[in-house]
Amino acid sequence: AQSVTQPDIHITVSEGASLELRCNYSYGATPYLFWYVQSPGQGLQLLLKYFSGDTLVQGIKGFEAEFKRSQSSFNLRKPSVHWSDAAEYFCAVGAGAQKLVFGQGTRLTINP
Amino acid sequence: EAGVAQSPRYKIIEKRQSVAFWCNPISGHATLYWYQQILGQGPKLLIQFQNNGVVDDSQLPKDRFSAERLKGVDSTLKIQPAKLEDSAVYLCASSSGTRIETQYFGPGTRLLVL
Repeated sequence: AQSVTQPDIHITVSEGASLELRCNYSYGATPYLFWYVQSPGQGLQLLLKYFSGDTLVQGIKGFEAEFKRSQSSFNLRKPSVHWSDAAEYFCAVGAGAQKLVFGQGTRLTINP
Repeated sequence: EAGVAQSPRYKIIEKRQSVAFWCNPISGHATLYWYQQILGQGPKLLIQFQNNGVVDDSQLPKDRFSAERLKGVDSTLKIQPAKLEDSAVYLCASSSGTRIETQYFGPGTRLLVL
């Protein structure tokens, strides 16, 4: 069965610092991978996605993610975080028949 | 382009009562999803429709949850009777195609069962 693990439940970084959120997946075939962000009281917004091709994917708001098949990982990065990046971040893997399986999320706090 | 609409945004009920949530997907989107997001967890798929047919309802607690998508557009999710553990955010999402596609999420309905 497909699964996603986000090892860090909560991360705190200072504004302007770099960020990396970890995501590991388990899926037998070629995965479709997604990162979503959820601000308090809001739905999920897509940051970026990987379907095929270049393993370094650029997304919105200055985020990028790198697909590493050998490590079954799809880590999210941003070189310099802003206070507005504080939110919950979810990694998801696309399974058969359009189904998404989500990780448990990483809550990001930004220190001023 | 209008996004996915959901109502109500918040609902408080007592256990054993019934409740219904409504979702209007993005125009033209064939596939509609209902997710349950319990506090501190990622969303879990409850049911997936393609047009007005059910594709996957394997994780829907069918003894108390039901969903329909009339005419392949709007959808309603009902819980009857509600239990304390149903307290969660119920997210509706839609996508345009029949393969793995980007899913667009609504703001969710936050349900509290007392």
